[in-house]
Amino acid sequence: DAKTTQPPSMDCAEGRAANLPCNHSTISGNEYVYWYRQIHSQGPQYIIHGLKNNETNEMASLIITEDRKSSTLILPHATLRDTAVYYCIVRVGNGGFKTIFGAGTRLFVKA
Amino acid sequence: GAVVSQHPSRVICKSGTSVKIECRSLDFQATTMFWYRQFPKQSLMLMATSNEGSKATYEQGVEKDKFLINHASLTLSTLTVTSAHPEDSSFYICSASTGGANEQFFGPGTRLTVL
Repeated sequence: DAKTTQPPSMDCAEGRAANLPCNHSTISGNEYVYWYRQIHSQGPQYIIHGLKNNETNEMASLIITEDRKSSTLILPHATLRDTAVYYCIVRVGNGGFKTIFGAGTRLFVKA
Repeated sequence: GAVVSQHPSRVICKSGTSVKIECRSLDFQATTMFWYRQFPKQSLMLMATSNEGSKATYEQGVEKDKFLINHASLTLSTLTVTSAHPEDSSFYICSASTGGANEQFFGPGTRLTVL
């Protein structure tokens, strides 16, 4: 699987948008971009995924650059409960393929 | 969304004993399950991949005789830590997939402490 690069930590003010970047310059044509988050001492939670088009769901938006070498996860109105480690992962679309986690970005949402 | 459970959520055992952790997919059939280990302040490390009815595939450096994985049904996989030692103390997390779908669903994790 392609490797991803994320900043180790970020701060965000409560109520503001949190923009979490991810570089995946070696992504293959059949690999999707997935985002998960992990709140302390819990299992990872799926957030969103996409192939090449921008995606939006009730939790977040995913913006993928045209060359697919980077993406940004956007939490439109961050709350204190969004404080977590966010993992950007690239993987083929079939769920039977293993998911390799990098170091992720630790997001601190501050009041 | 699909739900994956783990049991127990926490376990404390003595050094040298074996511990079994269960991972269940509650509302879907999981053809593939994955087991991860996470040490404090570190990321998840994939230990093995198991497909229902076949032997698990272990990642490099993971001892298959120490971490026994059984995936006997489409809703249950077990991880047995044999002859546990304090260095096996960790957070163990499973995930499950139907295989054809995009998503993998993660369990809540099991905190193992070996005294």
